[in-house]
Amino acid sequence: DVKVTQSSRYLVKRTGEKVFLECVQDMDHENMFWYRQDPGLGLRLIYFSYDVKMKEKGDIPEGYSVSREKKERFSLILESASTNQTSMYLCASSFSGQVPRSYTFGSGTRLTVV
Amino acid sequence: AQSVTQLDSQVPVFEEAPVELRCNYSSSVSVYLFWYVQYPNQGLQLLLKYLSGSTLVESINGFEAEFNKSQTSFHLRKPSVHISDTAEYFCAVSKSGSARQLTFGSGTQLTVLP
Repeated sequence: DVKVTQSSRYLVKRTGEKVFLECVQDMDHENMFWYRQDPGLGLRLIYFSYDVKMKEKGDIPEGYSVSREKKERFSLILESASTNQTSMYLCASSFSGQVPRSYTFGSGTRLTVV
Repeated sequence: AQSVTQLDSQVPVFEEAPVELRCNYSSSVSVYLFWYVQYPNQGLQLLLKYLSGSTLVESINGFEAEFNKSQTSFHLRKPSVHISDTAEYFCAVSKSGSARQLTFGSGTQLTVLP
């Protein structure tokens, strides 16, 4: 069964800490995405990557950075965590192409910043 | 930029009753449309999609959605719901020529009551 695996299901971090959220996919997908999910706001795109070492900003990139050194791994980095970054973070991946392919999502990481 | 509006944040319905979850999008170009479902404590799963061809698309578990270009809508329907359909449902759009990104609506929580 194909998978997108997020390394942590729950995380609690302190304000000001540097936080790494890891995502690994085993489907050889070119595209990978990081979303945050908040009640009433749906999913908002933070960053995405369409190739190794490539990244593009989404709708809400402020306070975040990403790293994609290998095709299967896409990391989201909170340089200095703040309480307003408390959220559910979802990673997704898809094949590339002119016609959009379905996303495969991970189960999410619920991050609490205290 | 395209946007997606899900008109109802919460839809309670009794078991075996019909349901319609509404989705409208705004875009001046051709789009591709998706419905995703999120069961409690899980990531999102693709329910159905419209890429081209027949405007009525169906899922394997009895849901259907109709693409209506004139009304810019892609409402999701099921003639008879089950308790197991309780979940959050997200409508998403990707415009032609920008195949990598999906823009999601804010979600509709469907609660099926016994």
